[in-house]
Amino acid sequence: GESVGLHLPTLSVQEGDNSIINCAYSNSASDYFIWYKQESGKGPQFIIDIRSNMDKRQGQRVTVLLNKTVKHLSLQIAATQPGDSAVYFCAENEGAGNMLTFGGGTRLMVKP
Amino acid sequence: EAGVAQSPRYKIIEKRQSVAFWCNPISGHATLYWYQQILGQGPKLLIQFQNNGVVDDSQLPKDRFSAERLKGVDSTLKIQPAKLEDSAVYLCASSSDRARNSPLHFGNGTRLTVT
Repeated sequence: GESVGLHLPTLSVQEGDNSIINCAYSNSASDYFIWYKQESGKGPQFIIDIRSNMDKRQGQRVTVLLNKTVKHLSLQIAATQPGDSAVYFCAENEGAGNMLTFGGGTRLMVKP
Repeated sequence: EAGVAQSPRYKIIEKRQSVAFWCNPISGHATLYWYQQILGQGPKLLIQFQNNGVVDDSQLPKDRFSAERLKGVDSTLKIQPAKLEDSAVYLCASSSDRARNSPLHFGNGTRLTVT
């Protein structure tokens, strides 16, 4: 399939290590944030979300941290696996409805 | 549950031609979105529907792009005439309601190449 994100920032990690992907968002009024994973040739896949009244949320092998003071979001992946290789996007809901604005994305490469 | 279905998977056309994309959302999802994803960038919202009504189309280039969701289920996005800069992946997404803060579920997109 076609490659997603030819010129995106890239994070390269060793299999089994933890990964941290960072995202700076733009709107201090945003109150909902989502991380998506996009593999080559596929649409974005929901990973985890967090509301602005929280600063941390955990899922299976993933943790999202929200720092509203500096408008920063991070995704932590524990024990990174080859199947985690993809482009990761953060998205914020900054409007009155349910419309997401996506960031530029980070490519995660997992070395065996 | 079945995911968001899109067709065709790929489309190649010449500039000034027209093209249409089709989307079938997850069953029961009232809200449907079309996003444009240029290579190397995050998806950008084009239009949002709630049932068969348009909620927001402020980012849709209305001189050449149109979209409809006549019966509140399937949707089509059309480009006429296409320009070289329309080359992108067109993603359809749906969510269970219009309420704030519900995840969007995406299809695999239609890859459009305009030559």
